[in-house]
Amino acid sequence: AQSVTQPDIHITVSEGASLELRCNYSYGATPYLFWYVQSPGQGLQLLLKYFSGDTLVQGIKGFEAEFKRSQSSFNLRKPSVHWSDAAEYFCAVGAGNFGNEKLTFGTGTRLTIIP
Amino acid sequence: GAVVSQHPSRVICKSGTSVKIECRSLDFQATTMFWYRQFPKQSLMLMATSNEGSKATYEQGVEKDKFLINHASLTLSTLTVTSAHPEDSSFYICSAGVGTSGNTIYFGEGSWLTVV
Repeated sequence: AQSVTQPDIHITVSEGASLELRCNYSYGATPYLFWYVQSPGQGLQLLLKYFSGDTLVQGIKGFEAEFKRSQSSFNLRKPSVHWSDAAEYFCAVGAGNFGNEKLTFGTGTRLTIIP
Repeated sequence: GAVVSQHPSRVICKSGTSVKIECRSLDFQATTMFWYRQFPKQSLMLMATSNEGSKATYEQGVEKDKFLINHASLTLSTLTVTSAHPEDSSFYICSAGVGTSGNTIYFGEGSWLTVV
């Protein structure tokens, strides 16, 4: 069975600083990997996804993530954070056929932005 | 773009009653939808896979008789929490996938259930 580990429960970053959120996965085959963001009391918004091809994936809001098979990682990065980036971030791995993915989520990383 | 909508966004019900949550795919057909539950400050846990025209597949530990799932059409799945108890209070969220390669999964806005 697949699993996802997000080792950082809470990260605090100054506005304008760079950000990296860690994600490690366990899956027997080539994984489908996702990063989602959730604002308090809200649903999930997809930031980016990886299925195949280029291991550096560009997403919305200036986020990117790099798939490293040798490290079983899919870390999320942003060169300069904005106060509006404060939220909960979830990494997920998908299993199943195209278009029918059930996801296994990590425990999430809460991002706080300080002025 | 594809949108998944849930209703209601918030519901309060009395202990012992049942409550239904709807999940609709607004501009695409979804033969499969997924229901997740998220307790406060925790991650999302898959409850069940909803299959159009057939029985739902429940994850281990999820009571199928308590959480009734119906997927009667290609655009609608419903989750009914029967005989609700305060411990069922949670954030319930559905998702649906669309496409073949380049698959995208969309989540609904979620539904807050409070059982009093």
